[in-house]
Amino acid sequence: GENVEQHPSTLSVQEGDSAVIKCTYSDSASNYFPWYKQELGKGPQLIIDIRSNVGEKKDQRIAVTLNKTAKHFSLHITETQPEDSAVYFCAAIPNSGYSTLTFGKGTMLLVSP
Amino acid sequence: EPEVTQTPSHQVTQMGQEVILRCVPISNHLYFYWYRQILGQKVEFLVSFYNNEISEKSEIFDDQFSVERPDGSNFTLKIRSTKLEDSAMYFCASSERGDRGYTFGSGTRLTVV
Repeated sequence: GENVEQHPSTLSVQEGDSAVIKCTYSDSASNYFPWYKQELGKGPQLIIDIRSNVGEKKDQRIAVTLNKTAKHFSLHITETQPEDSAVYFCAAIPNSGYSTLTFGKGTMLLVSP
Repeated sequence: EPEVTQTPSHQVTQMGQEVILRCVPISNHLYFYWYRQILGQKVEFLVSFYNNEISEKSEIFDDQFSVERPDGSNFTLKIRSTKLEDSAMYFCASSERGDRGYTFGSGTRLTVV
């Protein structure tokens, strides 16, 4: 099955700095890579996703890059704000029918004012 | 924006008791899932459900667990005889297609004492 590794486990940045979270996956058949933000007491919220036929996707301050050869993908947040503080999870899903998300262990991002 | 609704938000139960966690997926979604998250750990897949039957399940989803879609709107997870190690946050999710776009509910915190 799929195995997703995520680093770092915690990341502290100053407001306005950039933050980068990295994930690797094991199943070369995986073709969909979402990122979720989880705030305290809430469920994971999809913030951006990328499919394997695309190398990069951007949505305002958030971008995701994918390197299929190396089997890794990264989340980039620019101009961080205190409200970006949360736990971020990467995930992967293989290219098959009723497939399921395999999550990374999560990164706690702390943005200090 | 459409939501996945879960009830109750918090459930405390005695070890050995049965619990039923309830979910109302987004109305036009066809794929339904249960995930759980033990405190401080990653989100783990339990089971997926499509076309009124289980399509995939993990090793965690043993004979103590069952799922049901009793009517056109609800999706339930039953734990027949709870154990201490079942204490976790349980998330329901749904998607329109099985390969992307999962929406998670806010979760039910289950505490087994």
